[in-house]
Amino acid sequence: YVLTQSPSVSLAPGQTAKITCGGNDIRSKSVHWYQLKPGQAPVLVLHHDRDRPSGIPERFSGSTSRNTATLTITSVEIGDEADYFCHVWDNNSYHVFGTGTRVTVL
Amino acid sequence: EVQLLESGGDLVHPGGSLRLSCAASGFSFNFYAMSWVRQSPGKGLEWVASVSGDGRNTHYADSMKGRFTISRDNSNSTLYLRMNSVRAEDTAVYFCASTTAGYFDYWGPGTLVTVSS
Repeated sequence: YVLTQSPSVSLAPGQTAKITCGGNDIRSKSVHWYQLKPGQAPVLVLHHDRDRPSGIPERFSGSTSRNTATLTITSVEIGDEADYFCHVWDNNSYHVFGTGTRVTVL
Repeated sequence: EVQLLESGGDLVHPGGSLRLSCAASGFSFNFYAMSWVRQSPGKGLEWVASVSGDGRNTHYADSMKGRFTISRDNSNSTLYLRMNSVRAEDTAVYFCASTTAGYFDYWGPGTLVTVSS
């Protein structure tokens, strides 16, 4: 099972970032999202498509359509600059990660 | 506060072996499945292996089967990854992560493994 993400997104503070994750019939799976900053432990920002763990701001939200999952970050801040990865569990491949999207806040 | 701290990363020759450790605290370790995930330089995340809370059930990514062994010591809240017959492509930062309902909820900062002659 393959998950494809756009390589990068660049935007100014205050704008909205939409990070997509494409996979065959991804809507039938639970999608999870992680934030990675250099030298730090990765952080879970959404699980099960749209659920935010405690401590994650409401600015982070998720949605899915048939073949695409989307992580939306509204009112982007400098501190949101990071790599973001989607993740699903697949019966055949077990844990599968997306290719990753670098979010740059200019 | 949940804390995970990996150790054991080092420079190792191709064909060599290494054991990584992950010390856990701040949660009931034996109730949680645990996993190893790696990130090669300049690349994305790759799942390596997972182990159930009681240590009885393990799963591996195909490229790691037969070479890597995941295990845990619940009495010491420690997760392990034994890496044998390492290859250049195993060079990566290795993260341990607690695993809940199919996702990785807490992660450590990682430990670097470099495979080179």
